[in-house]
Amino acid sequence: EVQLVESGGGLVQPGGSLRLSCAASGFPFSSYWMSWVRQAPGKGLEWVANIKPDGSEKNYVDSVKGRFTISRDNARNSLFLQLNSLRGEDTALYYCANGGHIDYWGQGTLVTVSS
Amino acid sequence: DIQMTQSPSSLSASLGDRVTISCRASQGIRKDLGWFQQRPGKAPKRLIYAASTLQSGVPSRFSGSGSETEFTLTITSLQPEDFATYYCLQHNTYPYTFGQGTRLEIK
Repeated sequence: EVQLVESGGGLVQPGGSLRLSCAASGFPFSSYWMSWVRQAPGKGLEWVANIKPDGSEKNYVDSVKGRFTISRDNARNSLFLQLNSLRGEDTALYYCANGGHIDYWGQGTLVTVSS
Repeated sequence: DIQMTQSPSSLSASLGDRVTISCRASQGIRKDLGWFQQRPGKAPKRLIYAASTLQSGVPSRFSGSGSETEFTLTITSLQPEDFATYYCLQHNTYPYTFGQGTRLEIK
């Protein structure tokens, strides 16, 4: 059974940083593209970033380029998202998902950017 | 960016009804489209991939069709658990983009 468990969310001031983690199990993590998707409170879904199985290719939505960094540790079956220079509009539930085409989703971790 | 426009934005239907949700892409995306269901307070769940292939474990009352710019999700014989919000996602071109969602409510 695919399991994706996100952690690392919380309340942060504008301009601050957070590092989100996703612990994966139930599938061959090192063979899968992995993705982050977010959902602002009461809003729709927004694709944020993805990363190739070996980490050699990373893609981002324009609104986070230069501020967010996706990475992975295949030895630990873990996916990460480093969030820097956070803004109010980054407030959202951040989901980890497996597959380049968003197959299975975790339950999300909430990031709140507010002073 | 490719814009994905879903219609309708909301829909009221009764148990046992057949409903259709549309998703239009601003440019051709072949069949690089998925459909997702999100129940309140829950993570999304993929129903359909490659525009028309049913995800394992998803009931056969769900079906998808279309290619390039016009796509459809059809649900036959609505069940209580089907009342949720539905999203399409294009994964043909970066950045991947979702439709704005269709909220399916009980009439």
